[in-house]
Order: sequence, then structure tokens, then C-alpha cells
Amino acid sequence: KAGVTQTPRYLIKTRGQQVTLSCSPISGHRSVSWYQQTPGQGLQFLFEYFSETQRNKGNFPGRFSGRQFSNSRSEMNVSTLELGDSALYLCASSLEGTGGRTEAFFGQGTRLTVV
Amino acid sequence: TQLLEQSPQFLSIQEGENLTVYCNSSSVFSSLQWYRQEPGEGPVLLVTVVTGGEVKKLKRLTFQFGDARKDSSLHITAAQPGDTGLYLCAGVRSNTGKLIFGQGTTLQVKP
Repeated sequence: KAGVTQTPRYLIKTRGQQVTLSCSPISGHRSVSWYQQTPGQGLQFLFEYFSETQRNKGNFPGRFSGRQFSNSRSEMNVSTLELGDSALYLCASSLEGTGGRTEAFFGQGTRLTVV
Repeated sequence: TQLLEQSPQFLSIQEGENLTVYCNSSSVFSSLQWYRQEPGEGPVLLVTVVTGGEVKKLKRLTFQFGDARKDSSLHITAAQPGDTGLYLCAGVRSNTGKLIFGQGTTLQVKP
């Protein structure tokens, strides 16, 4: 069974640009969550999508958005990039969502560097 | 304000030593998970505990969920260099269903 796949693995962008990251969950998993990981802030929750609907949202500005397609694949978009957006962006998939007892399986992440 | 406080943040020990990592909160969690993350990789789930007072063992790793479901600990016996990594605890909030992560504990085990 293939794991969670995130593309691209590495990305370098300049301030003001926008970026789109992709996540393909484990087959059969309908929930996809996105996290931002930085040395200073640790792992911060961005949002969760379940069956194409945003179910939970973290405390990030509106520049961070996402969507989920009918095949459960998800994309995350960051517009007007800032230097502080440099981070490892992780995607996690689970059968029913990160609420309750369902376990989350993470991808390898996309390392975004904003210069 | 960090909802889940992990301590210590950094730990450097010699091979063969024992260690304990703590995960504390004032909030109640319906379940708590422990992950291990290696550089350049995503976190990998080690264990999930759901019942207050529950103890789970995974080879040399022992996980405990507090009676009040507000805290947890991870104890490693006879640590090995392969245990090196970032250990993260994550709790599912009882009231919101959100998965909240601690800041992580970076463990280095020297041969």
C-alpha cells in the first residue's frame, strides 16, 4: 500500500510569489490535514479536509488556503509569500480524520524556502 | 500558549542510558499519540493511548497516559543510537476533535 505522497520535495520561491503544494493520501483515506513545521514554532496545524470540505482550520492568515478533490488528493496554496513562510509543510492522511482515535500518517513533507 | 508542553526539549545521552520524555497539558485529551521524526522525513506514529492510566510497551519503549488524560510519558530503556530523532506527542482535544502537537523533544544518543 503506497504511503502519503507529497510533491514537490523541495521548493525555492521569492517573496511575493505564490506556491501550490500537493498531497496524495493513502488509498481509501478521506481526511487530509496540513501542518507547518519550523524550528521555532514546532508543528502547527493549518487545516483539515474531509470529503472535499474543510472541517477544521488553524490560526493562519487567509494567504494560506487549501482544497480537496473528489479522489481525496489535496492541494495547499500560499499567496504573497513572506520570508517567515519558509518551513517544512507536512501532509497527513487518515481514514476518518484526526479527531477521535484515528491515526495520522504523514508524508515526507515539502521543504519551502522563501528568499 | 502551548497547549501541550513537552520536556525536555533537548536530550543528549550515551548509549545504554535510560530516559523519560514528558508531555503535559491542562486540557483533557480523548487520545494521545507519540511520533518519531527523523531529519528530512515526516513523523511516524509509534503508539496511540486512549484510556486514562493506560500503559503500552513497544520493545524498549514504554508509553503511559495519565489517569486524568492530561499528560503522558515516554520512557526508553537502554537507549541506542538508532533511537536518535525528534519525538512528538500529539493529543486529540476532547471538545474540538483537533490534533494538537507538542513542541517535540530532540534526542541524541551517542555511541
